[in-house]
Amino acid sequence: NAGVTQTPKFRVLKTGQSMTLLCAQDMNHEYMYWYRQDPGMGLRLIHYSVGEGTTAKGEVPDGYNVSRLKKQNFLLGLESAAPSQTSVYFCASSPGAGGGTGELFFGEGSRLTVL
Amino acid sequence: AQSVTQLDSQVPVFEEAPVELRCNYSSSVSVYLFWYVQYPNQGLQLLLKYLSGSTLVKGINGFEAEFNKSQTSFHLRKPSVHISDTAEYFCAVSDRKTSYDKVIFGPGTSLSVIP
Repeated sequence: NAGVTQTPKFRVLKTGQSMTLLCAQDMNHEYMYWYRQDPGMGLRLIHYSVGEGTTAKGEVPDGYNVSRLKKQNFLLGLESAAPSQTSVYFCASSPGAGGGTGELFFGEGSRLTVL
Repeated sequence: AQSVTQLDSQVPVFEEAPVELRCNYSSSVSVYLFWYVQYPNQGLQLLLKYLSGSTLVKGINGFEAEFNKSQTSFHLRKPSVHISDTAEYFCAVSDRKTSYDKVIFGPGTSLSVIP
């Protein structure tokens, strides 16, 4: 029973490097999200998707891009990493309109350090 | 805009003592309420949720929360804590007026259970 799986779990980057975080869910959920977690700030929404082929900006989208080519996958990209992007990134999914209540199902997180 | 306040950033409590973690949100219109728990180095998991009906909601691990519409609060309680309850607790509200499951998180409360 995998649920939401994130890869990689840890990554260290140098300023200016690029990388992609992969999120995969096996619950056939419509909605997927990327959050970042920083101390004392809770979780902040970066981007989200309400279905295959659609994406939208959240609260803190600058410096990130996303894609949802397949319903089960949601990719988060950093084109040119900056130290301010050092954080723990969480992917989440939810059933979507008519099938959910806002309850989110989370992955275990990806810890990114930008030097 | 919807917001969530958790007044206590850290709560130390002795084992077997009761605990209350406080949560207030900015509006009681069309919302669902949640408490999530995050154990060290793990993702968030749902502790309990309020959707409708009884204002007292029971969750996993002996936790319960009470929805108070007039005070826009959703405080979390446990009558007797265990060492294993040491974790970060997040209150969250889902705004049902948006086109996606927009979930706003509080900054979190770190519960430390002292032996």
